[in-house]
This record gives sequence, structure tokens and C-alpha cells, in this order.
Amino acid sequence: EVQLLEFGGGLVQPGGSLRLSCAASGFTFSAYAMDWVRQAPGKGLEWVSDINYSSTSTYYADSVRGRFSISRDNSKNTLYLQMNSLRAEDTAVYYCARSMWWQNDFWGQGTLVTVSS
Amino acid sequence: QSALTQPASVSGSPGQSITISCSGTSSDIGNYNYVSWYQHHPGKAPKAIIHDVSIRPSGISDRFSGSKSGNRASLTISGLQAEDEADYYCSSYKSGDTVIFGGGTKLTVL
Repeated sequence: EVQLLEFGGGLVQPGGSLRLSCAASGFTFSAYAMDWVRQAPGKGLEWVSDINYSSTSTYYADSVRGRFSISRDNSKNTLYLQMNSLRAEDTAVYYCARSMWWQNDFWGQGTLVTVSS
Repeated sequence: QSALTQPASVSGSPGQSITISCSGTSSDIGNYNYVSWYQHHPGKAPKAIIHDVSIRPSGISDRFSGSKSGNRASLTISGLQAEDEADYYCSSYKSGDTVIFGGGTKLTVL
């Protein structure tokens, strides 16, 4: 059974940093691209970032490019999202999701990030 | 980047059929078949119900069907059931190696 479990959310001040993790199990993690998708309170889903299976290619939404960095450790079956220079508008539930051809077939339960002073 | 356009809400009675539209451009839906639909019950993980425009993942009821014409994709749910009440999102690959989601549609089963 595919399982994705996000960690690392919490309260952070504007301008601060946070690193999210996503532990994957139930599939060959190193064979799949992975995504981060977020949902701000009362809003819809927003794609944030994608990384290919081997970490050789990464992609970002315009809203986070230059501030967020996606990475993965295939030896630990773990996906990461380093978030710097956080803004109030980054407040959201962050989901990790397995990706196949730019489409997400399995999602985690999400972790809440709140940016506030 | 603007979201794909979906109606904010749709509703139907049990047993009826409803269709949710998703409008994009030639930079996304119109030129790529990487169109997906997701069902999201608030507080739970989103669930993929359609990928590649019209393919249902294993375990998804055949009451769910997807289609595309030009820059517009559609999700049809037939034989509405109470458990279908949820938020539904479309998504598409967009040129420039990004993904764009729709704004979401709240389905109410009357």
C-alpha cells in the first residue's frame, strides 16, 4: 500500500525558514517523480514543485521560485521542501504527492504551515 | 499563473448525473492530454479519480468519466451518491514544465 506521510509543519514568522519532509513507503520511491502541492485556507489546490526520480531536474511555481527548494534522498525514501523567506501567503496545508507524467496518483494527508508574527 | 476555470459549485440529487467543466488554454488543456481530476473531502488526502483525460485508476467507480474537447475538459459523475459530496479539482500540465489546477468545484448532493 502506497503511503506518504508529511512532517515538519508549524508556526513560523515572516521571513523565516522551515523544512518539510515526506516519508514514502509501499512503492519503489526511486522510480517516481514527486511533487509538493499546497492549499491555502479556504482556497484551492496550488502546485508548488516537482522533482524527477533522480534529482537531476526540478521545477517550481512562479510564486515560490527562488525561495523554495525541493530535494529527495532515495536511500531514505524521503522527499523534502526547504522553504525560505516565508510570507503570510505561504500559509497552507502542504501535501506531498507521487507524480506520473505531471499527474498525482497518490497523496499524503498534508502538514499545516502557518506564517505569522 | 491563473487557475483553470471551474464552476464554484454544482448540485444534484441522488441517482442523477452532473458534469463539471474545466476551461483552460492552448498552453495547457488544449495541447496536452495530461489532464487529471481529483476528489477532495476536506481534512483528507485528495484522491485521483481520472488521469490522462479519461482513464480511471484502479478501484475508481465507472460512475466517474472524463473527456476533453479543445481547451475544455469535463468530469461527469453518474448515479450520484451521498458520498460523492466533496470538492473536485481539475489539473493540467502547462507548457514551461509547470502544473496548473482549477479553482475547485464544490459538489452538493441534495
